[in-house]
Amino acid sequence: AQKITQTQPGMFVQEKEAVTLDCTYDTSDQSYGLFWYKQPSSGEMIFLIYQGSYDEQNATEGRYSLNFQKARKSANLVISASQLGDSAMYFCAMRPPDNYGQNFVFGPGTRLSVLP
Amino acid sequence: DTAVSQTPKYLVTQMGNDKSIKCEQNLGHDTMYWYKQDSKKFLKIMFSYNNKELIINETVPNRFSPKSPDKAHLNLHINSLELGDSAVYFCASSPRDRGYTGELFFGEGSRLTVL
Repeated sequence: AQKITQTQPGMFVQEKEAVTLDCTYDTSDQSYGLFWYKQPSSGEMIFLIYQGSYDEQNATEGRYSLNFQKARKSANLVISASQLGDSAMYFCAMRPPDNYGQNFVFGPGTRLSVLP
Repeated sequence: DTAVSQTPKYLVTQMGNDKSIKCEQNLGHDTMYWYKQDSKKFLKIMFSYNNKELIINETVPNRFSPKSPDKAHLNLHINSLELGDSAVYFCASSPRDRGYTGELFFGEGSRLTVL
């Protein structure tokens, strides 16, 4: 069974600093997708970044980058130049190889607080 | 022109009542899901449908019944509501196209409070 672990229930970062949110996963599949979602206090789920298991380059989207270490089964999210609006819950998620309605598994989330 | 829309956004009801949450997506996606987010923010899949066919039916009480009249709609009906059903329910959809990342597109969530 697939499992996502996020060991940091809460993180603090100073505005304009970089922060890394940890995510490790467990799967026996060779092909899978890894995602990060942001959930601000307003409650909506916002897709941030995607990494395919066969992608050789780490994914980047603006200030977000994914530090993918396949052998360690980790997919950490790096947010550069933190902003106050980055304060939110962040979820790491994994999708199995076939997107035929299969289960996305989510981690328990990390609550990030950006301090002014 | 919201991509995935859920109604109602808030629902407050008494124990024992029956309620429904509706979900519609205008993205042309084949797959739709219901997720439950509990008070600790943990997201757990409840159901998924692909082209109106039930794919995943996780261990949820049979008081919860999904219905997909067409591939753009997935409604959730809950009978005999209990206190523990209080949560935020998210509808989501995803395409099945090979090569696509397959990310989930979420609705805004429906916060159910059972008194």
